[in-house]
Amino acid sequence: TAGITQAPTSQILAAGRSMTLRCTQDMRHNAMYWYRQDLGLGLRLIHYSNTAGTTGKGEVPDGYSVSRANTDDFPLTLASAVPSQTSVYFCASTLTGDTGELFFGEGSRLTVL
Amino acid sequence: GQNIDQPTEMTATEGAIVQINCTYQTSGFNGLFWYQQHAGEAPTFLSYNVLDGLEEKGRFSSFLSRSKGYSYLLLKELQMKDSASYLCAPMDSNYQLIWGAGTKLIIKP
Repeated sequence: TAGITQAPTSQILAAGRSMTLRCTQDMRHNAMYWYRQDLGLGLRLIHYSNTAGTTGKGEVPDGYSVSRANTDDFPLTLASAVPSQTSVYFCASTLTGDTGELFFGEGSRLTVL
Repeated sequence: GQNIDQPTEMTATEGAIVQINCTYQTSGFNGLFWYQQHAGEAPTFLSYNVLDGLEEKGRFSSFLSRSKGYSYLLLKELQMKDSASYLCAPMDSNYQLIWGAGTKLIIKP
């Protein structure tokens, strides 16, 4: 089934450790996004990529990095996790960066202790 | 700054009609999106308005007034499965979606 896949679904991480959240889509979408969602807040954009080989910073990029080596994959890395990064992370994609009909992955629930 | 305002929670009865309002202030405007998010799941696209007026799609309709910075989502013939959060998201001049915190809709029998 075509779509967007995230891994892991859930993870508990010790503070100071590094972690990579994986995101893969097979829809040949050009634009991909990483959001975090916290209770009582709207989705907040961490990083985005409008096309393979390019990335950009969103609203809350500090403490996170991304890469976009190819069209399908858009991993999100936390170099040294802190408790404030405890959140649900959603990866999303869309055909082009100027369309808002996003397709979301199922989410990755990260707890940093 | 950019701001989205929608009610935190609403309650409605199965079979009834409910209107979820959203007011927004953004730097530029390239349309407004509504998403549905069931608890523990990812958001899914519901509707898109770029011109003023009403867009109807089955039991769901969405309205936009650009001059007033206002939109609403209208849900008719409510079903229990409509219990979810509804996210209002205008798109700014940089084609970035600005997300509201969402309105949690509770449907009672």
